This record gives sequence, C-alpha cells and structure tokens, in this order.
Amino acid sequence: AQSVAQPEDQVNVAEGNPLTVKCTYSVSGNPYLFWYVQYPNRGLQFLLKYITGDNLVKGSYGFEAEFNKSQTSFHLKKPSALVSDSALYFCALTSGNTGKLIFGQGTTLQVKP
Amino acid sequence: GAGVSQSPRYKVTKRGQDVALRCDPISGHVSLYWYRQALGQGPEFLTYFNYEAQQDKSGLPNDRFSAERPEGSISTLTIQRTEQRDSAMYRCASSSREFGEQYFGPGTRLTVT
Repeated sequence: AQSVAQPEDQVNVAEGNPLTVKCTYSVSGNPYLFWYVQYPNRGLQFLLKYITGDNLVKGSYGFEAEFNKSQTSFHLKKPSALVSDSALYFCALTSGNTGKLIFGQGTTLQVKP
Repeated sequence: GAGVSQSPRYKVTKRGQDVALRCDPISGHVSLYWYRQALGQGPEFLTYFNYEAQQDKSGLPNDRFSAERPEGSISTLTIQRTEQRDSAMYRCASSSREFGEQYFGPGTRLTVT
C-alpha cells in the first residue's frame, strides 16, 4: 500500500535560517512526489514535483526538494526562511498507476522574526 | 487565467437532505479529482475522472456518495441523505494530464446539522 509520512507536526525556524520539512514515502513502483502549501482559509497551492530525472527539484517561492530513493524521502528545503513562509505544508504521492494523490498529515511551519 | 472554481463555497444542510457540490475545472484540463479534507489534516481522495470517464471511485465512503462529469468539464459530487459525519471541506482539483500536478479549488465547506 502507498503511504506518506510527515514525522513532524510542527517545525519552528528563525527568519533567515534554512528550513527543512521532512517527508518519507512507501510505494510499489516509481513514485511521483509533490509538495503543496496551504495558507489559513485558503486552498492548496502546488509548490513542486518530482517525476523523474534530477534528484534536486526547484519550485515556487525559492523552495526545493531532494528525492532520495534509498532513504525513500522527499524533504522540502529553503536556504533562507521568510515569515511569510509560515503555513501548513503537505507532501503527496502517486505511483503513476493512478492519478489519485495520497497526502501526508501535514507539517505546520512557523517562521519567527 | 481562471483557476478551479467550486460552488457553493459554504453549505449548511439538515441531516437527511441531499446536497450537490459543483466543480468547474481549469479550461482544457483532462483530469478532475475530488478530495475531502478534515480540519488540520491532509486531503483524502474520493474519486477522479479523465474526461467524462470515472477512473477510480475507491475513496467514496459509501453508496450515498456519487459523482459525475457528463461532458468532461464540470463535475458534480452528490451526497444523499446527509449525516453529521459528512461535515467537512470538499475540495476539487484538476490537472492537464493524468499524472501531472493538480490545481485545487477553494473548496466547499459542508456542515450537516
């Protein structure tokens, strides 16, 4: 069965520091991996995806993620956090056999000035 | 360009009534997805369509839930004989191809009293 785990309910960082939001997955077959962000009372916004190719993918707002097949991880990173990055972040997965996304439980990112 | 739209944005209904939730995808998008999201949780897959064909309805909780996309564009999610446990945010998403990134609408907040 496919699954996504986000081991941290909340991540706290100071503005200007690097941030990492962790995601691990389980899937049979090749994974298609996505990160979404949700601001309060807003819909989900697509940040970036990994389908194939380079293990480091770059996305919107300066975010990037590194695909690690051996560790079955897809951690979200940003070199320098902004207060405006504070939001709820979701990692999601599909196997490529179906279009449906399996989401993690979400990680709240809090960036303090 | 216009994003995914959903209507109504808020729906309050009495237990036992039927409700119909509408999704208007991004123009030209092939695939359309329905998810349900509890507060603070990741979206949970319900069903999806490629054009007018329903590809996967494995996430529909029971036979009170149904969905259609008769002309391959607008979709309706119908819940018959609503129950309080159906209260949630219902989100629609669309993508230009089956395994591409999904773009989410603002959601319909359903409250069953």
